[in-house]
Amino acid sequence: DAKTTQPPSMDCAEGRAANLPCNHSTISGNEYVYWYRQIHSQGPQYIIHGLKNNETNEMASLIITEDRKSSTLILPHATLRDTAVYYCIVRVDPINTNAGKSTFGDGTTLTVKP
Amino acid sequence: GAGVSQSPSNKVTEKGKDVELRCDPISGHTALYWYRQSLGQGLEFLIYFQGNSAPDKSGLPSDRFSAERTGGSVSTLTIQRTQQEDSAVYLCASSLLAGKGDTQYFGPGTRLTVL
Repeated sequence: DAKTTQPPSMDCAEGRAANLPCNHSTISGNEYVYWYRQIHSQGPQYIIHGLKNNETNEMASLIITEDRKSSTLILPHATLRDTAVYYCIVRVDPINTNAGKSTFGDGTTLTVKP
Repeated sequence: GAGVSQSPSNKVTEKGKDVELRCDPISGHTALYWYRQSLGQGLEFLIYFQGNSAPDKSGLPSDRFSAERTGGSVSTLTIQRTQQEDSAVYLCASSLLAGKGDTQYFGPGTRLTVL
């Protein structure tokens, strides 16, 4: 699996956009970038994923650089309930490796402040 | 149910005892994953099932850990002769297929405390 690097923590003001970066410089061409978040004491929650194009859904936007070596998760209007640990992961292609696992790093702790 | 469920939600056991953790995936999901998360740390992959078979057991930390899945649905993670370092939250996830880019949906986890 390609490894990911994220800052350990970030702060964001309520109502402002939260931009969470992730480096995945060893990503291979058939690996997707996924973002999950984990609110304290709960299981991880899926946010968004992408391969090479930018993606947007009701929760967030995902911007992937052209070389695919990094990406940014954008929460356009952060609320206090968005305070969580955000994980950027890269999925191994199960067809080639017979493994559908995801390798999680330590994530970024986002604190949204009033 | 609508999501992945796990039981028990909390388990306290004594060192040396065996424990069984259960996971009920989303109906129709063929792939099932087990992870654990120790206090203050990220998620650690343990094992993955495609149907009833486990093509990837590389994450199991020792031979005290085993898992099975029957009927392509419920899975049980068993830890024998538990140790204090086994204390963690054990998370289960499922996905429709183990295909490229398939999304995993997580359960709430089982918090295991070994005294």
